[in-house]
Amino acid sequence: DTAVSQTPKYLVTQMGNDKSIKCEQNLGHDTMYWYKQDSKKFLKIMFSYNNKELIINETVPNRFSPKSPDKAHLNLHINSLELGDSAVYFCASSGPGGNEQFFGPGTRLTVL
Amino acid sequence: DQQVKQNSPSLSVQEGRISILNCDYTNSMFDYFLWYKKYPAEGPTFLISISSIKDKNEDGRFTVFLNKSAKHLSLHIVPSQPGDSAVYFCAASENGGATNKLIFGTGTLLAVQP
Repeated sequence: DTAVSQTPKYLVTQMGNDKSIKCEQNLGHDTMYWYKQDSKKFLKIMFSYNNKELIINETVPNRFSPKSPDKAHLNLHINSLELGDSAVYFCASSGPGGNEQFFGPGTRLTVL
Repeated sequence: DQQVKQNSPSLSVQEGRISILNCDYTNSMFDYFLWYKKYPAEGPTFLISISSIKDKNEDGRFTVFLNKSAKHLSLHIVPSQPGDSAVYFCAASENGGATNKLIFGTGTLLAVQP
């Protein structure tokens, strides 16, 4: 009965490749997020979607493209992967009011 | 430009004693603050929060104190237990804003010694 799930948990790939990370939540929340935790453990928001509509887009390179097929899913596609993209990516969701966000287990992306 | 700062990267406390984790912020527009707990290889989990209209919120062993004039908040855990050993993140948001953007600190690793 996982609330927020992400796949895969680990992703190792070569520079220049394109990869996707999937996220699903079964909490009935309208808002979903992607966060990036870098090597300095700094957890920073990348995107937020509310009911499939983009509402937050931080200064993230265009190589990153989120897609929300429905309000229970928010996938992250990354084109032309670079070494600096290596990080842990967390998906999260929240209900009305939105401050209390529920996080997935994270996807550790390693770009070689 | 780090708007939320946790200046202590780590803290070690004996079981049964009080753990005090600190957090400072710079943005006076922040009006809602949260603490998250994170175990290795897991996502952060919500612990406790406080609105800027309050200066204290308590939930069992966990109490968060907010000092708006000093732009400082702290999390007290009493009594500390070995299972509390984790990384604790402070987060802040502008609750009145149209978005639910949380700004996180860099975390404090708490180790509770048996």
